[in-house]
Amino acid sequence: DIVMTQSPDSLAVSLGERATINCKSSQTVLYNSNNKNSLGWYQQKPGQPPKLLIYWASTRESGVPDRFSGSGSGTDFTLTISSLQAEDVAIYYCQQYYTTPYTFGQGTKLEIK
Amino acid sequence: QLQLQESGPGLVKPSETLSLTCTVSGGSISSSSYYWGWIRQPPGKGLEWIGSIYYSGSTHYNPSLKSRVTMSVDTSKNQFSLKLRSVTAADTAVYYCARLSGGAYTPLDYWGQGTLVTVSS
Repeated sequence: DIVMTQSPDSLAVSLGERATINCKSSQTVLYNSNNKNSLGWYQQKPGQPPKLLIYWASTRESGVPDRFSGSGSGTDFTLTISSLQAEDVAIYYCQQYYTTPYTFGQGTKLEIK
Repeated sequence: QLQLQESGPGLVKPSETLSLTCTVSGGSISSSSYYWGWIRQPPGKGLEWIGSIYYSGSTHYNPSLKSRVTMSVDTSKNQFSLKLRSVTAADTAVYYCARLSGGAYTPLDYWGQGTLVTVSS
C-alpha cells in the first residue's frame, strides 16, 4: 500500500495569514503517461463528509475559493491557503488515487491562532 | 445536482453482517463515466477506503477487508450496496458512499452525508 504522511498533525494560523500543509507519499503517484499526479486534497468540517478541494495535485475543484492551491509532484505535495478565513477551520486530508487501495493521509487539523 | 444517501441499520451485533445501501439521485449510476465507492471513518479517526464498484459489477476492494466485503449494484433502483461480514467493534465507523469523478483512478467528488454504524451486543 502507498502510505500517505501529512505534516504537521495540527496547525494554528492567524486570520489572513498563510497556512501550509504537507503530504508525502511512500512512492510516486505521478503517471508518466499523462504527466499527472494522482493526488487529491479534501476538507472535512465537523459532522460533514469530506469535500474535494484539489485534484491532480493542483487543479481546483469548481466552486473552491482561489485562496486554496495545491502544488508538488512525485512524492511531495503541499496544500496552501493563502489568506486564512474563519470558515477554513477544518481537518484536511490528502489522498492518492494512483493505485488501489486508495489511501489517505492521517489528516491535519487547522485552527485559528 | 447529484446526491447520495446512505441507509441501513445503525447497530449491528458482533459477528453479524453490516449491510448498507447508497441511493443515487440526480444522475444515473449506469453512466459509463463513473465508479462508486465506500469509505469509512471510525469516530475521531481518519478515512479508510473500503472499495469501489462499476455499474457492470466490476469491483476493487481494499485487501485489508477483501475477505469480508461484497459490493453490488442495482441499476434498476439506482443504488449500490455494501456488505461487511463478521463485524467486530473495530468496524464501528461512519460509513460514506461517494462517486469517483471520472473512472476507477480518480478522486471522490460527491459524497453522502454518512451513516454511523455501531457494532455492539
